[in-house]
Amino acid sequence: DAGITQSPRYKITETGRQVTLMCHQTWSHSYMFWYRQDLGHGLRLIYYSAAADITDKGEVPDGYVVSRSKTENFPLTLESATRSQTSVYFCASSGSGTKPYEQYFGPGTRLTVT
Amino acid sequence: RKEVEQDPGPFNVPEGATVAFNCTYSNSASQSFFWYRQDCRKEPKLLMSVYSSGNEDGRFTAQLNRASQYISLLIRDSKLSDSATYLCVVNYNTNAGKSTFGDGTTLTVKP
Repeated sequence: DAGITQSPRYKITETGRQVTLMCHQTWSHSYMFWYRQDLGHGLRLIYYSAAADITDKGEVPDGYVVSRSKTENFPLTLESATRSQTSVYFCASSGSGTKPYEQYFGPGTRLTVT
Repeated sequence: RKEVEQDPGPFNVPEGATVAFNCTYSNSASQSFFWYRQDCRKEPKLLMSVYSSGNEDGRFTAQLNRASQYISLLIRDSKLSDSATYLCVVNYNTNAGKSTFGDGTTLTVKP
């Protein structure tokens, strides 16, 4: 019963490189979300998805790309990483039965861009 | 003005104390409300949903006041393990399932 997993858990990359963060959930939840959380700050929504092949921008989408070809996967790609994208990235999912709006989070990916 | 506002604290309380957090939201169309707990740099975890009639889970009580557009969380008999950041979350029950998170209130329970 894996729930929701993220990989890698830690990543160090250089400015300008492309990086993909993976998110996988085993609950068949409809909704999936990507957030970033900078040190000492709240969560900011990057992108979200209501179902496979349906994605939409959140509060801070610039510099990021998402796709959702399968319900269970929601990868986030940084096209050309910048130092300002150093952050903790959380993936979440929701959409279960009678409680469709309770979000469950993955353990996070700590990304450092040098 | 933020859609969801919380007093950031920190709240520093002794073990055994009762502490309450409030959270205000600006969109009267809000339908679902939650409290999450986040330990330092870890993922947020659902603490409890907030129902219109108020609800209790052990030492935790959540209440909703739609007229004044705020929700509250009361923690009784605080434990050291309650030290965390508490996030208020509001959802408009749209098809996107998107929720709005407050920035959190930090609680430190001291021996």
